[in-house]
Amino acid sequence: DIQMTQSPSTLSASVGDRVTITCRASQIIRSCSQSIRSCLAWYQQKPGKAPNLLIYDVSTLQSGVPSRFSGAGSGTDFTLTISNLQPDDFATYYCQHYNSYPLTFGGGTKVEIK
Amino acid sequence: QVQLVQSGAEVEKPGASVKLSCKASGYTFTAYTIQWVRQAPGERPEWMGWISTGTGDIRYSQDFQGRVTITMDTSASTAYMELSSLKFEDTAVYYCVRELKIGAFFDYWGQGTLVTVSS
Repeated sequence: DIQMTQSPSTLSASVGDRVTITCRASQIIRSCSQSIRSCLAWYQQKPGKAPNLLIYDVSTLQSGVPSRFSGAGSGTDFTLTISNLQPDDFATYYCQHYNSYPLTFGGGTKVEIK
Repeated sequence: QVQLVQSGAEVEKPGASVKLSCKASGYTFTAYTIQWVRQAPGERPEWMGWISTGTGDIRYSQDFQGRVTITMDTSASTAYMELSSLKFEDTAVYYCVRELKIGAFFDYWGQGTLVTVSS
């Protein structure tokens, strides 16, 4: 199974900050058949709600997601960056690989108000 | 609009079984695979299995093999997930999710069903 490790587990930031979350896989995440990029997605989750898809194929923004969110990386190391952090962005973020089964998620990064 | 509406919260005793439902609307049910993911309190989401609504193919996580059964009723656009031999550690929110055709990631999630296992 591919293990996904996120860091940091908690991040304190202020509105307007640029923040970066890291996700590391225990083995290489291959490219998806429809893309040259790895099979890696990011979700945002707010308390009491289901996760919401932000990014797939490492860097493709899901429809409706603000452009201040961006993803990058390849192989085993991936990042989610939020530029100009907004009040609505304080939440927990998870990465997920879909390289193979079983699908696994990272442990989450909680972005909280400093 | 696309919706996945799940059944209500359940409280079960250890050793019992629970069957959850997930009714899809706003799209062609048989065009997208439905997956099930659970999330224990304060934990990361955990993949459980999927059903191809077009072919009926099913795959389960080995972590739940033998305890989980995913079925569907295409006439009702509804998927079901049954988990048996419940343990205290099965207490979690269970989500049905729609898998995008281009990869096993999820664009729509149900609202979640809280299953509490308590004696």
